Amino acid sequence: GENVEQHPSTLSVQEGDSAVIKCTYSDSASNYFPWYKQELGKGPQLIIDIRSNVGEKKDQRIAVTLNKTAKHFSLHITETQPEDSAVYFCAASLNYGGSQGNLIFGKGTKLSVKP
Amino acid sequence: GAVVSQHPSWVICKSGTSVKIECRSLDFQATTMFWYRQFPKQSLMLMATSNEGSKATYEQGVEKDKFLINHASLTLSTLTVTSAHPEDSSFYICSATRDWYEQYFGPGTRLTVT
Repeated sequence: GENVEQHPSTLSVQEGDSAVIKCTYSDSASNYFPWYKQELGKGPQLIIDIRSNVGEKKDQRIAVTLNKTAKHFSLHITETQPEDSAVYFCAASLNYGGSQGNLIFGKGTKLSVKP
Repeated sequence: GAVVSQHPSWVICKSGTSVKIECRSLDFQATTMFWYRQFPKQSLMLMATSNEGSKATYEQGVEKDKFLINHASLTLSTLTVTSAHPEDSSFYICSATRDWYEQYFGPGTRLTVT
């Protein structure tokens, strides 16, 4: 089955710096890769996602890149702000023909942005 | 759009009792709903997948008789923890999808069994 590895487990940056979180997946058939932000005591919030037919996607300060050959994808946050501090999870799934695949999550990265 | 609610947000119950948690998609009809469990400082663990009007599909190791899932409509799924024990204490989170990709998560329910 699919396995998702996520690094680093903790990341501390200065406000205004960039943050990069990396994930690798094992199943080359996976075709959907979302990123979630989870604040303490709350449910995960979808912040950006990418499908396997796209190499990069950007939404304001957040971008995700996907390298299908190497089977890894990354989250990039630029101009970090203290409110970006949270736990970030990557995930992978195989969705096809109207079937919802199960999300396989990485172990999470705790991002701390210091003012 | 794509808002998912859960009720209650937290609950304390005595050992041996049952607890029901509701998950609702507020502004869309969910083709599928999922139930997850999360322990402190850990990732999400999928418990089961449910579709409206059909039996839930449970992940390996999840007791279907202990964690009863009812998907009554395209906007409502419930998880009932039966005969709860302290080891069932956890953060339970549901998610819903309106197409075959994005999953939108609820705010979670903190269950404490005393």
